[in-house]
Amino acid sequence: GDSVTQMEGPVTLSEEAFLTINCTYTATGYPSLFWYVQYPGEGLQLLLKATKADDKGSNKGFEATYRKETTSFHLEKGSVQVSDSAVYFCALSASGGYNKLIFGAGTRLAVHP
Amino acid sequence: DTAVSQTPKYLVTQMGNDKSIKCEQNLGHDTMYWYKQDSKKFLKIMFSYNNKELIINETVPNRFSPKSPDKAHLNLHINSLELGDSAVYFCASSQVVSGSSETQYFGPGTRLLVL
Repeated sequence: GDSVTQMEGPVTLSEEAFLTINCTYTATGYPSLFWYVQYPGEGLQLLLKATKADDKGSNKGFEATYRKETTSFHLEKGSVQVSDSAVYFCALSASGGYNKLIFGAGTRLAVHP
Repeated sequence: DTAVSQTPKYLVTQMGNDKSIKCEQNLGHDTMYWYKQDSKKFLKIMFSYNNKELIINETVPNRFSPKSPDKAHLNLHINSLELGDSAVYFCASSQVVSGSSETQYFGPGTRLLVL
């Protein structure tokens, strides 16, 4: 079945460091791909998404490119801030069906001043 | 205005009790979902309703019963609560468009602790 694999955390960085969180997926067809973020004690917020191959999603300085050839959707940010500390979830929504989201295990990011 | 709201935010109860969690969305979406997040933060879909009709029912114990009185509401009733039901339950909604995967909007979560 469809699945999402994320790099294990926690990821600990200093402020202004470069961030990469790896995400790969297994799916039949052409899924849409998402990154959601969960700040401490809160619900999930959509960070960015891409719906077809080679699309780049971007928001708040974060970027991810839908790579069909490597089945990947890695999250990047050039300069992280303390306020970016959160848990990041990669997810896919299989084509067809009713938008069932399949999530990766989540990667906790801690950014220190 | 909150787009997707859940009540209660926290729920502490004894094993064996029956409890309900309510969810409402004011986005005009036609599809709503329940997800469970366990203690390791892993998220998994439980149910989905489209226009009040059950369309996704993952392998969930039948002690869990969703009910959708209308498109804007999806409630979750849990009978005979067990320790393993302790988790955070998230409601979400989206507008299903044929051939497209639309963004799901999540509620703030209900933190359930079964003692």
